[in-house]
Amino acid sequence: GAVVSQHPSRVICKSGTSVKIECRSLDFQATTMFWYRQFPKKSLMLMATSNEGSKATYEQGVEKDKFLINHASLTLSTLTVTSAHPEDSSFYICSARDLGDSTYEQYFGPGTRLTVT
Amino acid sequence: DAKTTQPPSMDCAEGRAANLPCNHSTISGNEYVYWYRQIHSQGPQYIIHGLKNNETNEMASLIITEDRKSSTLILPHATLRDTAVYYCIVRSRIKTNAGKSTFGDGTTLTVKP
Repeated sequence: GAVVSQHPSRVICKSGTSVKIECRSLDFQATTMFWYRQFPKKSLMLMATSNEGSKATYEQGVEKDKFLINHASLTLSTLTVTSAHPEDSSFYICSARDLGDSTYEQYFGPGTRLTVT
Repeated sequence: DAKTTQPPSMDCAEGRAANLPCNHSTISGNEYVYWYRQIHSQGPQYIIHGLKNNETNEMASLIITEDRKSSTLILPHATLRDTAVYYCIVRSRIKTNAGKSTFGDGTTLTVKP
């Protein structure tokens, strides 16, 4: 089946620094990728929809200048958390939609645990 | 995407069937019912999906009511490894809307020995 990877799986950064999270579709091309954030004991919250070659669409309440999304190729989307603060500590999950799949299935990555100290 | 409601938690004895309900009363005709589960600190794992007919695969069965306003995920012989949060989602397969999933709070299933 289709595989989505994320890198890194865990990252710890200092407050005020920026951190980049990569989401890759390994065996399919994805025109659209989705970024979710999940706080402890909470559900996944959609942050933004990342479209290859165009600007991402952010959900209401998500700061686009703080969470920079780049979808430069059909297999890679990146989420950069800029000027990270402890409240940005969370589990970030991406998913990708298969371009070649007429059912437009969505495949999830394993997640990235961000801890801001 | 339509909203779903699920009980916050359920317990099940190991080896017994686990029946997880989901209400999706505002589902539209082009929306499918999907079930995922999430084990702690992992990404969601696909389980099964359906439109209006009951579905079965190696993991589970999905029973969708005739009016499509609710569904039940059945794990026929629950094991301790099935302990997880189970999410029911309705999602469109129309190209312009497809793929975007809105997660509810899910059901925490605890399988007990």
